[in-house]
Amino acid sequence: TQLLEQSPQFLSIQEGENLTVYCNSSSVFSSLQWYRQEPGEGPVLLVTVVTGGEVKKLKRLTFQFGDARKDSSLHITAAQPGDTGLYLCAGAQIYDMRFGAGTRLTVKP
Amino acid sequence: KAGVTQTPRYLIKTRGQQVTLSCSPISGHRSVSWYQQTPGQGLQFLFEYFSETQRNKGNFPGRFSGRQFSNSRSEMNVSTLELGDSALYLCASSWGTVLPTSNEKLFFGSGTQLSVL
Repeated sequence: TQLLEQSPQFLSIQEGENLTVYCNSSSVFSSLQWYRQEPGEGPVLLVTVVTGGEVKKLKRLTFQFGDARKDSSLHITAAQPGDTGLYLCAGAQIYDMRFGAGTRLTVKP
Repeated sequence: KAGVTQTPRYLIKTRGQQVTLSCSPISGHRSVSWYQQTPGQGLQFLFEYFSETQRNKGNFPGRFSGRQFSNSRSEMNVSTLELGDSALYLCASSWGTVLPTSNEKLFFGSGTQLSVL
């Protein structure tokens, strides 16, 4: 069982559509990070959210940290083929770093 | 500015052998952390080194070990390889320690793909 549950596991959409992926846990995290990983490469950090209720925007990407700091969401507006990849959330548990299983997003032109 | 460099890129070993993977962090970064990524278990934290000292360790057996040198380069060693050790091994570097808050910006290498036959 993953400490961080991500949903959906797979998502295939057309270019221009909007989407939201979720990262949920029963545990409280001091912060959560979102990464995107492309095939054959390591994950690349997109954002770190620290404060409960925090919302951060990165161009067409909007990240939100839940008020109780147990969950987070990533919303992409007008998805583009370049957004294709594996999206991972990650959080620290004092002495251990935990990752969700990821959402594999495919954006078709 | 050079990124995180991992060598080798691919490695094939047989059960029972041992393997050493190398990671060169971004210049100036003092923390190197290691991760195992498999289709079944996803990305899992192995351990972190900061200033040549292991600071944190994930839930992996003692066959997995590492070290960090004075120039911050790090090596990871896996002894008595098992089929289940087949995975992409990633390292990441950062200015400060990854834990306990994970506020540090991690820079990942492209990984070493290890296949155990």
